[in-house]
Amino acid sequence: SQQGEEDPQALSIQEGENATMNCSYKTSINNLQWYRQNSGRGLVHLILIRSNEREKHSGRLRVTLDTSKKSSSLLITASRAADTASYFCATVITGANNLFFGTGTRLTVIP
Amino acid sequence: DTGVSQNPRHKITKRGQNVTFRCDPISEHNRLYWYRQTLGQGPEFLTYFQNEAQLEKSRLLSDRFSAERPKGSFSTLEIQRTEQGDSAMYLCASSSTGTRSRNEQFFGPGTRLTVL
Repeated sequence: SQQGEEDPQALSIQEGENATMNCSYKTSINNLQWYRQNSGRGLVHLILIRSNEREKHSGRLRVTLDTSKKSSSLLITASRAADTASYFCATVITGANNLFFGTGTRLTVIP
Repeated sequence: DTGVSQNPRHKITKRGQNVTFRCDPISEHNRLYWYRQTLGQGPEFLTYFQNEAQLEKSRLLSDRFSAERPKGSFSTLEIQRTEQGDSAMYLCASSSTGTRSRNEQFFGPGTRLTVL
């Protein structure tokens, strides 16, 4: 299966701290995307990084991609209680159009 | 609201009954996807359409599942003879293949199915 794996499965931090989540995948990709999901809700797209990119920023988010290691990381700086959610990485593998999701990291930011 | 919408938001049914869900994508999006998500897991791809053509189906999509997108706009997902294992959140997403597209998919709020 292409489904990736996120690490850690759960993360609990204090408000203001940084949160780092990692994602590993198995096959060649076109791009990798990160999504957020609040409990019981739909997914919200956060950021997309193409296979030929190594780092992207969006506000308090920083994503890195290492295609040689087939891994990505999502850094959320200066976390807020509102960042509490599950975070998923999803890959678009070469030649496909659908997303393959990882297992998710459940982030809890304590006020 | 011009986002992806799904109806109903919740569906409770008895085992063996048929259910149908509807998804209305973002109007200018020509691609529409269905995913299934069980508790504590990431979404799993079921099928996708480009306009009215169903281009890919996952092995997860058993013969009890059928999806349509008759006019290339809204889509329906029907599950026949539901089983308790069908209980999940069914998510719809849409995207555009335009020149500025990055295959970014926009998700609806989902339909939560509970099979008793």
